[in-house]
Amino acid sequence: EPEVTQTPSHQVTQMGQEVILRCVPISNHLYFYWYRQILGQKVEFLVSFYNNEISEKSEIFDDQFSVERPDGSNFTLKIRSTKLEDSAMYFCASSYRRTGGYSNQPQHFGDGTRLSIL
Amino acid sequence: DQQVKQNSPSLSVQEGRISILNCDYTNSMFDYFLWYKKYPAEGPTFLISISSIKDKNEDGRFTVFLNKSAKHLSLHIVPSQPGDSAVYFCAARGSSGNTPLVFGKGTRLSVIA
Repeated sequence: EPEVTQTPSHQVTQMGQEVILRCVPISNHLYFYWYRQILGQKVEFLVSFYNNEISEKSEIFDDQFSVERPDGSNFTLKIRSTKLEDSAMYFCASSYRRTGGYSNQPQHFGDGTRLSIL
Repeated sequence: DQQVKQNSPSLSVQEGRISILNCDYTNSMFDYFLWYKKYPAEGPTFLISISSIKDKNEDGRFTVFLNKSAKHLSLHIVPSQPGDSAVYFCAARGSSGNTPLVFGKGTRLSVIA
């Protein structure tokens, strides 16, 4: 069964450094998402992406964050200047269709990247 | 701001018996509800979903029930198996635009052999 893959599985970075988290969504999926889960807390939405642009973003997704789909397969999340509070599990997800209206399609998640900021 | 609530952080069930996981929501704009299962060091795995036009959806051992008037849904697992031991997340989203999923905090299910 096709799956979402994320690399690296664990990233350790010094505070203030830039980090790029990588994701390969399921190949025929059109909608892409990033979520994060701080230890002991809920999974929280960061951003959704469709047709090479951001569809929606949360308050967490400030100017330090950016997303990109540099080619036909990768989907990346960049944090420009990391802070201690960015330490979390970051999950990439994808879905085939717009998850709205009457065409309900679930989002499929990768196994996450554990980001540790020192 | 807990739009999706899973009030039981953990649940223990004997193998072969029924597991019932509960979820409440507050946002009446939610119209699609999902259950995900998560093992340690893995991402959430989609289990089953239900749209607001239904009150029940069944897939093998898993059944999701939706009570819109009570803003409540539940996941039933029958019979429970030791491999079902995981954290179960309830998630919901609205219908307008490409709305993101809103997750509950999860319930850790332990199925005892």
